[in-house]
Amino acid sequence: GIQVEQSPPDLILQEGANSTLRCNFSDSVNNLQWFHQNPWGQLINLFYIPSGTKQNGRLSATTVATERYSLLYISSSQTTDSGVYFCAVLLGLTGGGNKLTFGTGTQLKVEL
Amino acid sequence: ETGVTQTPRHLVMGMTNKKSLKCEQHLGHNAMYWYKQSAKKPLELMFVYNFKEQTENNSVPSRFSPECPNSSHLFLHLHTLQPEDSALYLCASGIRVSYNEQFFGPGTRLTVL
Repeated sequence: GIQVEQSPPDLILQEGANSTLRCNFSDSVNNLQWFHQNPWGQLINLFYIPSGTKQNGRLSATTVATERYSLLYISSSQTTDSGVYFCAVLLGLTGGGNKLTFGTGTQLKVEL
Repeated sequence: ETGVTQTPRHLVMGMTNKKSLKCEQHLGHNAMYWYKQSAKKPLELMFVYNFKEQTENNSVPSRFSPECPNSSHLFLHLHTLQPEDSALYLCASGIRVSYNEQFFGPGTRLTVL
């Protein structure tokens, strides 16, 4: 099956710093999502981005599907950005619908 | 608030108990999913339902029994679980036909004693 790798696995930032998280995938995908998992386990949708660049406030994402990677940029980080960031690739299922295959995540801690 | 709710949020059960997890989506979607997140492991798909029909079972043990009575509700019935089944169980919903994004509920954190 498809492999989804994320780097770095762990990241510690000072508040106000910028960072780039990377997601590599081993095969063509139909779509890609970025999530933030808060300390209570809730997965929050950040981006739904098959290709190109999208921005939402201090966050932006770029997917280069032909080269099989996606990047998540966090600018001016805040303590509330702490948590685990997952990318997940979307693949179709023969029975209909689709499934997400998740990467192993990047654990981010933002310190004062 | 993602439009997907799950109950209970926390559950502790013994190995001989029977319990059920409930998921409800208010997004008008027609596909629903169960995912499992164990410690130190990536989230993994368990089951997929499209229009109430199970279309994917990712080799899940029979002690997990899903049920989808309609497109808005999804259950996961649990019986004779093992301690290694302790995990966060996440429900998601989406649209069957296109490669649209999935939205997740807050999860049920299950502990099997």
